[in-house]
Amino acid sequence: EVQLAESGGGLVKPGGSLSLSCAASGFAFSSYNMNWLRQTPTKGLEWVASISSGQNYIYYADSVKGRFTVSRDNARGSLFLQMTSLRSEDSAVYYCARVGGAGRYDSWGQGTQVTVSS
Amino acid sequence: QSELTQPPSVSGAPGQRVTISCTGTKSNIGAGFDVHWYQQIPGTAPKLLIYSNNNRPSGVPDRFSGSKSGTSASLTIAGLQTEDEAIYYCHAHDDVVRVVFGGGTKVTVL
Repeated sequence: EVQLAESGGGLVKPGGSLSLSCAASGFAFSSYNMNWLRQTPTKGLEWVASISSGQNYIYYADSVKGRFTVSRDNARGSLFLQMTSLRSEDSAVYYCARVGGAGRYDSWGQGTQVTVSS
Repeated sequence: QSELTQPPSVSGAPGQRVTISCTGTKSNIGAGFDVHWYQQIPGTAPKLLIYSNNNRPSGVPDRFSGSKSGTSASLTIAGLQTEDEAIYYCHAHDDVVRVVFGGGTKVTVL
């Protein structure tokens, strides 16, 4: 069974940093592109970052470019999101998702809450 | 704001058919990219419901179907059931911003 489990969320002050992790199991992690997505009640679902299976291609949403860094450890089946210079508008539930054919998100983690507040 | 436009809510009685529209632009749906649909029960993660316009993953009931034409797509639930109460999102690749989602449509079973 495919499983994705995010961790690392929490409360952080504006300007602070936080690192999220996503532990993958039940599939050949190194063969799949992975994405980070986030969701808020006001802005809905938002794509954050993409990383290809071999880390050759990495993309970021304009809203996080220069502040967030996505990486992965294929040997450990893990995906990471390093977030710096956090703003209140970065507050959201963050999901990691596996990318299937045609860009569909065929598996999602349970999400981890990030709250940026003083 | 969302790049794909969905109605905020739709409702229907059990057994009725409801359709959710998803309107995009020439940089996403109109460019020929596939549309995917997700179902989200509040408090849980979204779940893939329809992929590549009209395909159901294993385990998704056949009362769910999708279609796409031009710059729009739609999700139809034929024979609405109480367990279908959820929020539904459409999603597509976009030439400009890479990934776009709809704002979500809440389905209420009357």
